[in-house]
Amino acid sequence: DGGITQSPKYLFRKEGQNVTLSCEQNLNHDAMYWYRQDPGQGLRLIYYSQIVNDFQKGDIAEGYSVSREKKESFPLTVTSAQKNPTAFYLCASRSGGPGPDTQYFGPGTRLTVL
Amino acid sequence: DAKTTQPTSMDCAEGRAANLPCNHSTISGNEYVYWYRQIHSQGPQYIIHGLKNNETNEMASLIITEDRKSSTLILPHATLRDTAVYYCIATDFSGYSTLTFGKGTMLLVSP
Repeated sequence: DGGITQSPKYLFRKEGQNVTLSCEQNLNHDAMYWYRQDPGQGLRLIYYSQIVNDFQKGDIAEGYSVSREKKESFPLTVTSAQKNPTAFYLCASRSGGPGPDTQYFGPGTRLTVL
Repeated sequence: DAKTTQPTSMDCAEGRAANLPCNHSTISGNEYVYWYRQIHSQGPQYIIHGLKNNETNEMASLIITEDRKSSTLILPHATLRDTAVYYCIATDFSGYSTLTFGKGTMLLVSP
């Protein structure tokens, strides 16, 4: 069954701790994305990666870090430098390349910092 | 990407057609119109996209005006499971093809 998986679905952490959110895809997609969503708001781009070992900052990258060591994996670390990390985090992927294409989203991880 | 404007919320009776409008008056000639929806606490789901012509798939129809300044997503027979936030996005896939999601339209389908 092809798709994007994110784990865990719910995550609780104490303030000041780093936490890593998992994103895996078996769609053989080149491009992967991380978005953040706050209640009643749209999605905001954190980081994106077009290819293995390469990634770029999005609109709200401060306090976050990523890695892309494998094509199918794009983990997101929320560091203690992120001032307000409690949010719904969404991972997405697309096949890449020019022209119209569709981003597919995972089910999301809801992070709550206590 | 062109800015899109959508109503904040809409209501629809179950079994009736839901027509969701989107204004994109500054859209450029190479920008596509994409529609996604997000059911509460889930990831966004792709619905349909188009450039100039009207499009239809198993989920919905997309009607784009001739001047391309607006479009309408049509769910022909809305069900309770269609209750969701619907996002209209205009993109030319420049750069790294990121999508700009606004606040969308909250569609409530009632029995």
